[in-house]
Amino acid sequence: QKEVEQNSGPLSVPEGAIASLNCTYSDRGSQSFFWYRQYSGKSPELIMFIYSNGDKEDGRFTAQLNKASQYVSLLIRDSQPSDSATYLCAVKAGGSYIPTFGRGTSLIVHP
Amino acid sequence: DGGITQSPKYLFRKEGQNVTLSCEQNLNHDAMYWYRQDPGQGLRLIYYSQIVNDFQKGDIAEGYSVSREKKESFPLTVTSAQKNPTAFYLCASSIPGQGNNEQFFGPGTRLTVL
Repeated sequence: QKEVEQNSGPLSVPEGAIASLNCTYSDRGSQSFFWYRQYSGKSPELIMFIYSNGDKEDGRFTAQLNKASQYVSLLIRDSQPSDSATYLCAVKAGGSYIPTFGRGTSLIVHP
Repeated sequence: DGGITQSPKYLFRKEGQNVTLSCEQNLNHDAMYWYRQDPGQGLRLIYYSQIVNDFQKGDIAEGYSVSREKKESFPLTVTSAQKNPTAFYLCASSIPGQGNNEQFFGPGTRLTVL
């Protein structure tokens, strides 16, 4: 059974701080990793994907992947109240095109 | 504008009734998916389809049925056999494959059993 684990939170950070969201996965053969943001009552929207070890930056967002430790994270710099949402980690195992989703981490950015 | 539409946005069902949720996409994607989301939970896969006239069961297919007669459409029927159908249902589509192809999600249908 492929598993993707996330701390459900809520993670509370002050406005302007760095928010760090973490995700671990069980399948060592996993190839592709996605971060989705989901506002309450809305559908998920893709923020970033990463497939190589290391960091990938897009604006205020940085995804970090460490395949040896089976760990992927999302950093949000200069957090804004509008970043308050649930962040879902999704992982595609090697040989599969169906991602497995974690339960998501709730992020609250307070002014 | 390309995208995925789901209807209705809210749906109320009496016990014992079958209901059908609509999902249409104009992204020209071959693959389509149905997920269920319960409060505080991640997405659980109900059914998926890689190509027209073909579909496979996901992790929680019992009590649900689908059809894929057209590339653009992938309706989901929640049957009376589904014992706890109250949930948020999400349809998604993607280019099929094992790479970095992201899934695009529709706005969702919130189903409530009365």
